[in-house]
Amino acid sequence: AQSVTQLGSHVSVSEGALVLLRCNYSSSVPPYLFWYVQYPNQGLQLLLKYTSAATLVKGINGFEAEFKKSETSFHLTKPSAHMSDAAEYFCAVRGASGNTPLVFGKGTRLSVIA
Amino acid sequence: DAGVIQSPRHEVTEMGQEVTLRCKPISGHDYLFWYRQTMMRGLELLIYFNNNVPIDDSGMPEDRFSAKMPNASFSTLKIQPSEPRDSAVYFCASSLSGAGEQYFGPGTRLTVT
Repeated sequence: AQSVTQLGSHVSVSEGALVLLRCNYSSSVPPYLFWYVQYPNQGLQLLLKYTSAATLVKGINGFEAEFKKSETSFHLTKPSAHMSDAAEYFCAVRGASGNTPLVFGKGTRLSVIA
Repeated sequence: DAGVIQSPRHEVTEMGQEVTLRCKPISGHDYLFWYRQTMMRGLELLIYFNNNVPIDDSGMPEDRFSAKMPNASFSTLKIQPSEPRDSAVYFCASSLSGAGEQYFGPGTRLTVT
């Protein structure tokens, strides 16, 4: 069954510090994995995606994620946090068949402290 | 492309009234999804369509909720009668394939008093 677990509902970092948001997945098929970001009062926006090509995926705004099959993980990182990164982040895995929708995690709220 | 368009952006209504939320997906996308987001329950998939046909409505909370997609460029989510616990942000999303990335609209913030 498809599932995503995001460790930590709230993460707080200082401006300029490393951002690490954790995502572990379970998938009965080769996984496609996604990270979305939701800024206040906006819809979800795709940050990056993994679709079985390079295991290190680069996204927008300096974020990247590494697919690790042995750890069933797809953690999101950014070397230096900016105040504008404060948002909710969602990890998602594709459905078990070609026509079933993404399964989203519960989200992690990132706060950036000046 | 203009992206997924939702209207209205904000809706305030009284308990018992009918509420209709509207969505225009990205042109060429065959899948359309309706979600509800609340602090308590997070992001919930309510229903999704493929080529205008409802595929899975198991997430629709009650019979008071209904959704239609009369054509490829328009969908509605209706709540009748509305209740205070329906207060939430409702998102519409569309995608080229069922398992592919989804593109979200800005959402409709519904407040039922």
